[in-house]
Amino acid sequence: GENVEQHPSTLSVQEGDSAVIKCTYSDSASNYFPWYKQELGKRPQLIIDIRSNVGEKKDQRIAVTLNKTAKHFSLHITETQPEDSAVYFCAASPTGTASKLTFGTGTRLQVTL
Amino acid sequence: DAGITQSPRHKVTETGTPVTLRCHQTENHRYMYWYRQDPGHGLRLIHYSYGVKDTDKGEVSDGYSVSRSKTEDFLLTLESATSSQTSVYFCATSPWGAEEQYFGPGTRLTVT
Repeated sequence: GENVEQHPSTLSVQEGDSAVIKCTYSDSASNYFPWYKQELGKRPQLIIDIRSNVGEKKDQRIAVTLNKTAKHFSLHITETQPEDSAVYFCAASPTGTASKLTFGTGTRLQVTL
Repeated sequence: DAGITQSPRHKVTETGTPVTLRCHQTENHRYMYWYRQDPGHGLRLIHYSYGVKDTDKGEVSDGYSVSRSKTEDFLLTLESATSSQTSVYFCATSPWGAEEQYFGPGTRLTVT
């Protein structure tokens, strides 16, 4: 089955700096890669996703890049703000009926003033 | 967020007792999932459903069973709870499967 590794496990940046979280996956059949944000005590929420037919996707201050050859994808957050502090999870899955997500172990991002 | 609810939100139970957690959705999504979240492990899939009465196992299904008798409800049962099942349980739903999963608020279960 799929195995997703996520690094780093914790990340501290100053407000205004950029943050990068990296994930690798093992199954070459995976073609859907979402990122979830989980604030303390809350549910995970989808913030951005990318499919294998594109190499990069942006949404305001967040972007995701995908390298299918190397089997890795990354989340980039620019101009970080205190409200970006949360745990971020990457995941991977083949698309199609009855497909399942495999999650990474999470990155705790702390944005300091 | 209001379209997916979980009950109970908190439960403390003793080892060996049966426990049932409920996920209820008003989104009419075909797919429903049960995950557990533990420190250092992220979210791990327990069981999932791809339609009424259609379910399958995830990566950590031992000790758990599920049922889905109607679109809106997905039940997770711990037949005989153990301390290793102390965790936060999240339900998720999706109209598409793996894509665009929406999570419920979670249930914190403590087995003493």
